[in-house]
Amino acid sequence: QKEVEQDPGPLSVPEGAIVSLNCTYSNSAFQYFMWYRQYSRKGPELLMYTYSSGNKEDGRFTAQVDKSSKYISLFIRDSQPSDSATYLCAMSAGGQNFVFGPGTRLSVLP
Amino acid sequence: DVKVTQSSRYLVKRTGEKVFLECVQDMDHENMFWYRQDPGLGLRLIYFSYDVKMKEKGDIPEGYSVSREKKERFSLILESASTNQTSMYLCASTPGGFRGETQYFGPGTRLLVL
Repeated sequence: QKEVEQDPGPLSVPEGAIVSLNCTYSNSAFQYFMWYRQYSRKGPELLMYTYSSGNKEDGRFTAQVDKSSKYISLFIRDSQPSDSATYLCAMSAGGQNFVFGPGTRLSVLP
Repeated sequence: DVKVTQSSRYLVKRTGEKVFLECVQDMDHENMFWYRQDPGLGLRLIYFSYDVKMKEKGDIPEGYSVSREKKERFSLILESASTNQTSMYLCASTPGGFRGETQYFGPGTRLLVL
């Protein structure tokens, strides 16, 4: 079993839809959870950062962490064509060891 | 804003060539990383460095070496490039300490080995 699992997609939604992206993980020591957005042929850019369990909201983006289920989610409200990208989840137990999911490719159709 | 730059966006090399990929960050970060990114496999850590002249192997160090002579610069070296090293190479940096600091990535270098 991989340490972090993520559905690779592709996921296609119409503009304005609510998008739900998810990752599951196996290491209960993970405490720091990140979502990165990566446009085609670019490096990943940090979108959301959460410590431990709970929700965090930033504009149209909401990150949720459920440590009891070892499950994290990213919700995108009112999705736009500019949200079309690959979304990577990443996590860490602290220190400098980061583990990444393989990414979910999202297409938002106008 | 943290800026991480990589020396080349695209490179084409021949099998057996020595390849240098350079990464520079301008935020005085202690830690720097080299990853490769392949479809379906995600990001895999090649090497990381937590200080000048210090390095640690990541998950897939075979066929690679690194050099960190200055704090802001971290180089990845392919001693003898092979076709299975065709990939997207990403450099990242983080501040020091042992919290879960987020990583800041460069734009990536897409390497093709023929």
